[in-house]
Amino acid sequence: RKEVEQDPGPFNVPEGATVAFNCTYSNSASQSFFWYRQDCRKEPKLLMSVYSSGNEDGRFTAQLNRASQYISLLIRDSKLSDSATYLCVVTARGSGYSTLTFGKGTMLLVSP
Amino acid sequence: DADVTQTPRNRITKTGKRIMLECSQTKGHDRMYWYRQDPGLGLQLIYYSFDVKDINKGEISDGYSVSRQAQAKFSLSLESAIPNQTALYFCATSDGTSGVVADTQYFGPGTRLTVL
Repeated sequence: RKEVEQDPGPFNVPEGATVAFNCTYSNSASQSFFWYRQDCRKEPKLLMSVYSSGNEDGRFTAQLNRASQYISLLIRDSKLSDSATYLCVVTARGSGYSTLTFGKGTMLLVSP
Repeated sequence: DADVTQTPRNRITKTGKRIMLECSQTKGHDRMYWYRQDPGLGLQLIYYSFDVKDINKGEISDGYSVSRQAQAKFSLSLESAIPNQTALYFCATSDGTSGVVADTQYFGPGTRLTVL
């Protein structure tokens, strides 16, 4: 089983739509969880950290289910500028809590 | 000015050549990382350093070496480049204090390397 798995997409949605991304991870000892955003040929940028209680930042909501080893990202009222690849990221196994494992990413395309 | 910078931004080289990619940061972070990204694949960790005297191999270190010249500088070398090292290379930093804040990584703009 891959350490971090995501649906590669692409997800094609119209402006204003709500879209949800899912991610599963295999290391039950993972401590930190993130969603990063990566625009084409650019560096990944932190979108939000994911907390056990769930957290929201404007139109973005992240959820963590430790029992199921599952992370989600919900984007409401999609904008054209949300078009990007969204990377699910968790702490890596057995190498110190500050090394991260990245999923391959889910591509989102928002159309007018 | 960007907090994490990488030079060069683009490089084309030939098989067998030695090449160095450089990374500098002004964030004051102790921890630095090198990743490569291939099309359709996730980022793969090459090497990481938790302080100036600490160097650790990542999941794909073969064919690469690193040097941590100072807290702010971490360079990646390909001693004898080969075509399958053609990729996008990212440097990243984190502050290494504790918890989620420590784990958050900040990336440079990347170096696009092509080995012919």
